Amino acid sequence: QLQESGPGLVKPSETLSLTCTVSGGSISSDSWNWIRQPPGKGLEWIGYVYYTGITNYNPSLKSRVTISVDTSKVQFSLKLNSVTAADTAVYYCARGGYDLDAWGQGILVTVSS
Amino acid sequence: QLVLTQSPSASASLGASVKLTCTLSSGHTTYAVAWHQQQPEKGPRVLMRLNSDGSYNRGAGIPDRFSGSSSGAERYLTISSLQSEDEADYYCQTWGAGIQVFGIGTKVTVL
Repeated sequence: QLQESGPGLVKPSETLSLTCTVSGGSISSDSWNWIRQPPGKGLEWIGYVYYTGITNYNPSLKSRVTISVDTSKVQFSLKLNSVTAADTAVYYCARGGYDLDAWGQGILVTVSS
Repeated sequence: QLVLTQSPSASASLGASVKLTCTLSSGHTTYAVAWHQQQPEKGPRVLMRLNSDGSYNRGAGIPDRFSGSSSGAERYLTISSLQSEDEADYYCQTWGAGIQVFGIGTKVTVL
């Protein structure tokens, strides 16, 4: 089971920070992803972190994104800096290096002053 | 470039079947895909992983009304005996060179 947490409101130009907590299993294997969905739109992959800490990001977001893993806390995290209104979306965490086989319920993050 | 193409909408009557198509871009026609369902106001859930040879593995708890098949670059999701709760958005997803790609999603309406 995966559960997202973090602030639901972020000011423009600031940094969006979210955490995904994994329960009922180990984080010390597989890849761990962040995906987002703007209101009324489709799914956009943000990036993943492998349990070893290796990362890969969507080229369109790469300059602003950092994803990290903390195996001791069974968590992985997303940081997206210099946010604008266009970053308003439901953010999901998901497991998988190939097919995404488990999803969190999602958290709405609104970028607004 | 790895791209998945889906029709934006489909519809069928209650109790009937509907077949959704996901097309892989040129040069990627042997890739596997996953199908995901997103019901209104809910997060996505995986329905199945579908391979290029047409074999598939349904996710935990997914009823056998959901089946998959493949032909060339096309990956299909068939929903049989449509129920009202099948009204949802359906996304195909694939992976390659370290990235994940989603189709635009197909909105299924149950008439």
